[in-house]
Amino acid sequence: AQTVTQSQPEMSVQEAETVTLSCTYDTSENNYYLFWYKQPPSRQMILVIRQEAYKQQNATENRFSVNFQKAAKSFSLKISDSQLGDTAMYFCAFISYGGATNKLIFGTGTLLAVQP
Amino acid sequence: NAGVTQTPKFRVLKTGQSMTLLCAQDMNHEYMYWYRQDPGMGLRLIHYSVGEGTTAKGEVPDGYNVSRLKKQNFLLGLESAAPSQTSVYFCASSYRVDTQYFGPGTRLTVL
Repeated sequence: AQTVTQSQPEMSVQEAETVTLSCTYDTSENNYYLFWYKQPPSRQMILVIRQEAYKQQNATENRFSVNFQKAAKSFSLKISDSQLGDTAMYFCAFISYGGATNKLIFGTGTLLAVQP
Repeated sequence: NAGVTQTPKFRVLKTGQSMTLLCAQDMNHEYMYWYRQDPGMGLRLIHYSVGEGTTAKGEVPDGYNVSRLKKQNFLLGLESAAPSQTSVYFCASSYRVDTQYFGPGTRLTVL
């Protein structure tokens, strides 16, 4: 079975500092995507960053970057220069393609609080 | 472009009542999905569709039905609502098996 695990239910960081959110996943597939979604208090699910498994280079989007370790099945999110607007629930998600399942599987989320 | 929209935003039902949630997307996406979000459990897939006229079961399909009569719309129906269906429901769409874009959610309470 494919699973996504986020082992940090809650985290806190001071404004302007850097924080890393952890995610591990389990799959026997070779072709897949990994995502980080952000869910602020408004409840909207917002895509933060996307990684294609066949690419060795880590994805970056402005202040957001990932550390993708395929062999270890690890996909952590680093937020640099944290801002108050980064306060949200962050979900790691996985989807495989080309196989029998094409379903986005979510972790249980990490609640990040950015402190002023 | 409006992206993915959901109607209604909030709803309160009594046990046994029925209702339909509407999802619409204007991105010409082939795939559409319905999820539910419960505290501490992340999002779980209810049903999905890979194209107009197709539907398939997800992880938690019991008690729900869906229809995809038009490419841009995906309806989620509850025939006889139960308190266990109290949740926040999200619709999402994608071009293929790739990034999914989400609607704003519908908060449903079943009394």
